[in-house]
Order: sequence, then structure tokens, then C-alpha cells
Amino acid sequence: KQEVTQIPAALSVPEGENLVLNCSFTDSAIYNLQWFRQDPGKGLTSLLLIQSSQREQTSGRLNASLDKSSGRSTLYIAASQPGDSATYLCAVKETSGSRLTFGEGTQLTVNP
Amino acid sequence: GAGVSQTPSNKVTEKGKYVELRCDPISGHTALYWYRQSLGQGPEFLIYFQGTGAADDSGLPNDRFFAVRPEGSVSTLKIQRTERGDSAVYLCASSLQGAWTEAFFGQGTRLTVV
Repeated sequence: KQEVTQIPAALSVPEGENLVLNCSFTDSAIYNLQWFRQDPGKGLTSLLLIQSSQREQTSGRLNASLDKSSGRSTLYIAASQPGDSATYLCAVKETSGSRLTFGEGTQLTVNP
Repeated sequence: GAGVSQTPSNKVTEKGKYVELRCDPISGHTALYWYRQSLGQGPEFLIYFQGTGAADDSGLPNDRFFAVRPEGSVSTLKIQRTERGDSAVYLCASSLQGAWTEAFFGQGTRLTVV
């Protein structure tokens, strides 16, 4: 059974810092990995999608990497801003059944 | 529509009652997913539709939960004899056909069973 773990569970940083969020998964039989952002009381906003054949994807200040063989992904946020405060979730799409399996998220707070 | 739409946004019901939650996927998206999210947890898979059929319903917790998608577009999640433990946010997502595609989520329905 696929298990997704996100470390740390919570992170508080001052504005302007670069930071890294970690995601690990136990079964490398995946189609892709997706990073999401969730604001309190809201749904999920897709940030980046990395296919299993890719190593990284970039969007603005966000960069996500994928090492499928070791079961790890990182989300790098450059020059963090208070508006980046949210919960960040990673999810893998499994080759068996195409379901998305989520981690429990990292709650990020960026302090002004 | 422009995004995945879920209605209602909030639903309060009494224990034992029946509820229906609706999801309107992005137009043209053939894949549709239902998830349940408890406070402080990641979303938990419930069911996945490809077109009109349920391709994977292994996440439904018991036979009180049922979902349909009769015309391959709108989906309804139905919960019978609701229990307090069913209280959660129910999320719907859709994607284009194909395993490699990006999933887009709605804003969720917050269900509270009192």
C-alpha cells in the first residue's frame, strides 16, 4: 500500500527566506506527483505537476524536484512571502488504479 | 464551467439523515474523484470515475456511502444514515482522460453531522 509522508509537519520562517518542503513515498510505481496548496477552509490549488519521467518543474518562485527511484520529492520556495502561508500537500498518482494518494501536509507560516 | 464546482459549500444534518453532495467537474474532464478530509489530515480517497463508471470504489468506507455519475459529467455522493464520524470536508476533483494528467479540485463541501 502506497504511503506518503511529508516533513516537517509545520514550519515557521521569517519573510524572505528560501525553504524546502519534503515529501517521500513508499512505492515508486507512480505516473506523476503533484504539489498542492490549501488555504484554511478552502479547497486544493494545484501548484506543480511532475511526470514520473521528469526530474523537476518550475513555476515562478516554486521549484519541485522528483527522484522516483528513491521515492522523494522536494518543493523549494524562494524568497518566501507572508502570502505563501498555507498548508502544502503532495500527492502521487499510482499506476494501479490511478488514485491520488496524499501526504498529511506541511503547514507553512511566513512571518512579516 | 471555469473550475470544479461543489454544492452545497456547507451542510449541517442530523444523525441518521440522508445527504447528497454534488460535484460539477470541469467541462470535458472524463475522470472524477471524491475525497474526504478530516481536520489536520490529508485528503483520503473515496472513489474514482472514468466516464460514467466507477473505476475504483475501494475507498468508500462502508455501504452507507454511494456515488453516481449517470451522464459522465455531474456526480453525486450519497450518504445514508449519517453518523457523527462522517463529519468532514468532502472534496471533488476532475482531470482530463489519461493517467498523466493534472487533477483540479473544487472548494469542498463541509459536512457536519449533529
